[in-house]
Order: sequence, then C-alpha cells, then structure tokens
Amino acid sequence: RKEVEQDPGPFNVPEGATVAFNCTYSNSASQSFFWYRQDCRKEPKLLMSVYSSGNEDGRFTAQLNRASQYISLLIRDSKLSDSATYLCVVNGWDSGYALNFGKGTSLLVTP
Amino acid sequence: NAGVTQTPKFQVLKTGQSMTLQCAQDMNHNSMYWYRQDPGMGLRLIYYSASEGTTDKGEVPNGYNVSRLNKREFSLRLESAAPSQTSVYFCASSEESPSWSEQFFGPGTRLTVL
Repeated sequence: RKEVEQDPGPFNVPEGATVAFNCTYSNSASQSFFWYRQDCRKEPKLLMSVYSSGNEDGRFTAQLNRASQYISLLIRDSKLSDSATYLCVVNGWDSGYALNFGKGTSLLVTP
Repeated sequence: NAGVTQTPKFQVLKTGQSMTLQCAQDMNHNSMYWYRQDPGMGLRLIYYSASEGTTDKGEVPNGYNVSRLNKREFSLRLESAAPSQTSVYFCASSEESPSWSEQFFGPGTRLTVL
C-alpha cells in the first residue's frame, strides 16, 4: 500500500470555483504534513504546511484529520494561475529525514 | 541567491555509460537530497545527506552512489546507466531535517538512457 494516496484527477474547474483535494496517509506515527505545488515540467515548491488545528493562507485552507489519517486542501475563488499539480507530503518511514510524496492531484482552472 | 542549482539540465546516455549529476545550494542548508520522479510514481528518495560528511540510502538507492563534497555540493553518480534509470532527477536541500523544514528543489535533470 502506498504510504500517501491522492486522487490523480484531473480536476477541471471554472475560474472562481471552489475545489477541494483529499489525501490519505498510512503511517499513524507521521508528524509533519505539507502541500507542495508543482507546475508542468518544473520543480515542486512548498505551498503550505498543515497544522493539527487547520490553517489558512489567503484562498488556501489546509485541514488535518489524524483520526481518519487524511489531509485536505481547499482552494477558494480559483484562478487560472492555480492550474498545477498539488502534492500531498508526509514525513516518512524513518520519521526523520524521509518525506513521502503522493503522486499528486492535477488541477486545471479554465476561463 | 540562486537557491539550488543542478547540472546538466538534459542528458542522453547509452546503456552502460556513467555520469555524475551535480547539485549545489547557496542557502547554507545542512541537509540535501536526491529524488527521482517518474510518471505515475511520484517523487521517490534515492539518497540523502543529513549533514556534511554523512550520506544515507533512501527508498530507491540501487544503481546510484552519492558524494557530499562539502556543505554546498551533493552529487549523484550513475556507474552503469540502465533504461530503468530514465527519469527526472531533482536535488533538494533543507535547513534541517525535513520533518519540519521546507525543502527547496532544484530545476531538475531530465535523463534518458537508451
């Protein structure tokens, strides 16, 4: 079983829509959670960390549910520039230096 | 600041050839990493270096070797390239352990092994 699982999409949404992605992880001992963004043929970049109490950064809201072992990302008022692949990331098998990356969820925002 | 730089950007090898991928960071980070990204597989950790002078295997180390030359530079070597090593290779760095520290990625090296 893959340690971090995401729906690959693609999610096609119109500008201004709200879209949500979910991610599940298998290691109940995981302590660190992140969302990274990756544009086509580019490197991943940190979008936001995910905290236990949930956190918001502008139009982006991240939530963590430890009991069900899932993480969510909500994007409000989608922009064309939000089109990208969103990677769910959880600290890994050795709980130290390894990060486990999900395969990513593809988002396309259309005019 | 350039951040994380990687060379080369593209490379084509024949099976059995060797090559070294170079990575450097100018952020004074302690930890550095090599990942590969394949379609449908996501990013997988090949090797990492928690600090200067140390290296450890990641999830997929077979066929690769690494050298942490100094605090800035971390190289990845393919001794005898195989078609299964066709991939996009990303180097990354972080201030400390990635469990709580943002990782910064280089632009990637697109490697094709024929």
